[in-house]
Amino acid sequence: AQSVTQPDIHITVSEGASLELRCNYSYGATPYLFWYVQSPGQGLQLLLKYFSGDTLVQGIKGFEAEFKRSQSSFNLRKPSVHWSDAAEYFCAVGATGNAGKSTFGDGTTLTVKP
Amino acid sequence: DAMVIQNPRYQVTQFGKPVTLSCSQTLNHNVMYWYQQKSSQAPKLLFHYYDKDFNNEADTPDNFQSRRPNTSFCFLDIRSPGLGDAAMYLCATSTGSYEQYFGPGTRLTVT
Repeated sequence: AQSVTQPDIHITVSEGASLELRCNYSYGATPYLFWYVQSPGQGLQLLLKYFSGDTLVQGIKGFEAEFKRSQSSFNLRKPSVHWSDAAEYFCAVGATGNAGKSTFGDGTTLTVKP
Repeated sequence: DAMVIQNPRYQVTQFGKPVTLSCSQTLNHNVMYWYQQKSSQAPKLLFHYYDKDFNNEADTPDNFQSRRPNTSFCFLDIRSPGLGDAAMYLCATSTGSYEQYFGPGTRLTVT
């Protein structure tokens, strides 16, 4: 069965500082990997996705993530955080042939200090 | 713009009083999902429809039912809401292979 671990429950960074959110997955084959962001009281919005090919993927809002098969990781990065990035971030793993069902991590809450 | 719409955004119901939440989509996606999300937790999949095929998660209580009358609409029925059912309910869609597109959610309060 597939699983996702987000080791950091809560991260605080200063505005303008760089950010890295960690995600580790467990899946037998090549996974489909996603990062979603959720602002308070809102649904989830897709930031970026990895299916195959280039292991460094670019997403919206200046985010990027790198797939590292050897480490079973898909960490999310942003070089300079803005106050509006404060939100909950979810990593998810999915697979074809499974009706697009994804397994979500427990999320990381990002706080941005002025 | 193509999107996933949920109505209402906020719903208050009484303990034991049936409630229906609505989801519609203009993406023409095959798959529609219902999730329950409690505070500071990951979304928990309740069930999904692949076209007209209904798929229930093993641990979804019988109190939760769903209907999908056509491609565009899907409903979540809670037959007898308990205090523990207070949560955000998220609807999502996908083509069945890739990423999911989420609606804004319905916040359910049970009094």
